[in-house]
Amino acid sequence: DGGITQSPKYLFRKEGQNVTLSCEQNLNHDAMYWYRQDPGQGLRLIYYSQIVNDFQKGDIAEGYSVSREKKESFPLTVTSAQKNPTAFYLCASSIGGKKGGELFFGEGSRLTVL
Amino acid sequence: LAKTTQPISMDSYEGQEVNITCSHNNIATNDYITWYQQFPSQGPRFIIQGYKTKVTNEVASLFIPADRKSSTLSLPRVSLSDTAVYYCLVGGPLHNTDKLIFGTGTRLQVFP
Repeated sequence: DGGITQSPKYLFRKEGQNVTLSCEQNLNHDAMYWYRQDPGQGLRLIYYSQIVNDFQKGDIAEGYSVSREKKESFPLTVTSAQKNPTAFYLCASSIGGKKGGELFFGEGSRLTVL
Repeated sequence: LAKTTQPISMDSYEGQEVNITCSHNNIATNDYITWYQQFPSQGPRFIIQGYKTKVTNEVASLFIPADRKSSTLSLPRVSLSDTAVYYCLVGGPLHNTDKLIFGTGTRLQVFP
């Protein structure tokens, strides 16, 4: 089945550690996105990528890094510089460019910093 | 980029029709309007998308007035399973950035 796979679903980390969240899609979509969601809040854009080897900062990119070496993969690294990393992280993809806003989301990764 | 404004929350009862309105005063000519539904601890899922007038699918209708500065998601005969957060999203190829920003969403609670 086509879709977006995020892993791990749950992740615990100690303060000062970097962690990488995986996002893979087999929808052949050009654009991919990472959002962060805090309890009771909406989604905030961290990074997005319209094409391989290119990505742009969203509204809350500080403390995060991404790469887009392959069309189907867009991993997110939460670095030790991110002061409040405990959150629900959502990856999404879209065809890109033709119709705005039709996003396909993964099931999310919940990160807890101990 | 078009900013969206929605009511924070709404309550309804099973079997009623629910209308959620989203304001997007600075929508651009090429922008589409898309609505998503999100359940707790899940990713949002697409409900409906439109550009102007009315769009209907098997789960909802989307009404967009001529000036396109707002849109209304209509859910007919809601059930308990429609309790969720609903987001409207405005974006399109004109921006050429694919920087899609979500608003705060509307939390719909359906009661028996």
